[in-house]
This record gives sequence, C-alpha cells and structure tokens, in this order.
Amino acid sequence: GEDVEQSLFLSVREGDSSVINCTYTDSSSTYLYWYKQEPGAGLQLLTYIFSNMDMKQDQRLTVLLNKKDKHLSLRIADTQTGDSAIYFCAETPDSNYQLIWGAGTKLIIKP
Amino acid sequence: DADVTQTPRNRITKTGKRIMLECSQTKGHDRMYWYRQDPGLGLRLIYYSFDVKDINKGEISDGYSVSRQAQAKFSLSLESAIPNQTALYFCATSDPRDRGGYEQYFGPGTRLTVT
Repeated sequence: GEDVEQSLFLSVREGDSSVINCTYTDSSSTYLYWYKQEPGAGLQLLTYIFSNMDMKQDQRLTVLLNKKDKHLSLRIADTQTGDSAIYFCAETPDSNYQLIWGAGTKLIIKP
Repeated sequence: DADVTQTPRNRITKTGKRIMLECSQTKGHDRMYWYRQDPGLGLRLIYYSFDVKDINKGEISDGYSVSRQAQAKFSLSLESAIPNQTALYFCATSDPRDRGGYEQYFGPGTRLTVT
C-alpha cells in the first residue's frame, strides 16, 4: 500500500543547513508537499513540488525530488530558532484527492 | 480572523461520555476532513466530505461519526469516548482548484484527553 517515511527527529546547530528526508511509494503522485507544524498550531503548507520537477527553490528552502528513488528532501539554509517545528512530507496518490502523510520530523535547533 | 476554526481547543472527558468536536470554515471550500495526530504516527484520516451530501470513511473511522451540517460546518463525534482516543484532532479543508485539489488548510486543532 501507499506509505511515506520520515525520520522522527533531526538536530542541527543554528546557522547550519537542515536536510529533512522523505521516501514515498506511489510513483503516480502528482504533487509532493512539505507542511510545517509549529508548537501548539495546526499544519501550514510550506512548499510543494510538482512531480515533473526535480528541484524547487524558494528563499531559504530547497526541495529536491528523485523520482527514480522516490525520495524527497527539504533543505533549510541558515537554520534559525524560528524553524523549530515538525515537518511533514505528504504525497498525493492518484485517487480520491487524499494526502498520504509521513509521521513528521521534529527539527531541533541547538544554539 | 482564522479561515478554519475548531471548538473546543482543549477538552478533558471521561470514558463513556459522548463528545462533539466542531469545525467551521470561511474559505468557501466544499471539501472537509477530520484527522487525528498521535506522536510518531503522523496524521491519520478519520472521515472526509466532498460536499454536504457526500461523507466518506477514512483510515480509522471506527468509534467516530461525523455530520456535515452545511458547507461551512463539519462536526466529529465520539459516541462513547475511550482513553485511546486521546489525541490531537485537526479539521482541514481543500478546494479542487488549488494544486489539483490536494492542498489542505488546517484548523488549530483540538486536544482531547479521555480519562
């Protein structure tokens, strides 16, 4: 069945780059998403990539997509304390307009 | 004002009680969803509705029911709450015109504790 996997935790030093990885199973996914959940809040869309792209950059964020390996990554440059959050990867299988979610990666920033 | 609101934000209830969680949205979206979030498990879909007359079970619907009272309102009920329903519950909406219909907009969540 469809599955999305992420590591549960990532710890980085303030000012370093963070790379959050995700693997998915459904090769027909049209969009792949990164959502951010700050403490005590709901999820907000951070960025997304269309399946025919292999990279997307948006200010400090870089999304890389390797369709062959079904691997998605989110790079945050110059990580700040405000980047502390849980980051969810989600894919879109080709039915029912549902999202399949990863378990979320908690990004911990060390001073 | 928030586009997707949930009430209550926090609730503590006892085993066996009936409880309703409410969701309202001002985004004008037809599609609405209820999820629960448990640490290390991510989001799991409970029910979803594509319009007022269309309600569908998600991955974990047992023990839950829903009501779509209007386009803007989607309620989740726990008929007889049990402790393993302790979780963070999220409502979300989507529009088929946004990113092919997949982008979802979330409420702030309801933290439910069943003792």
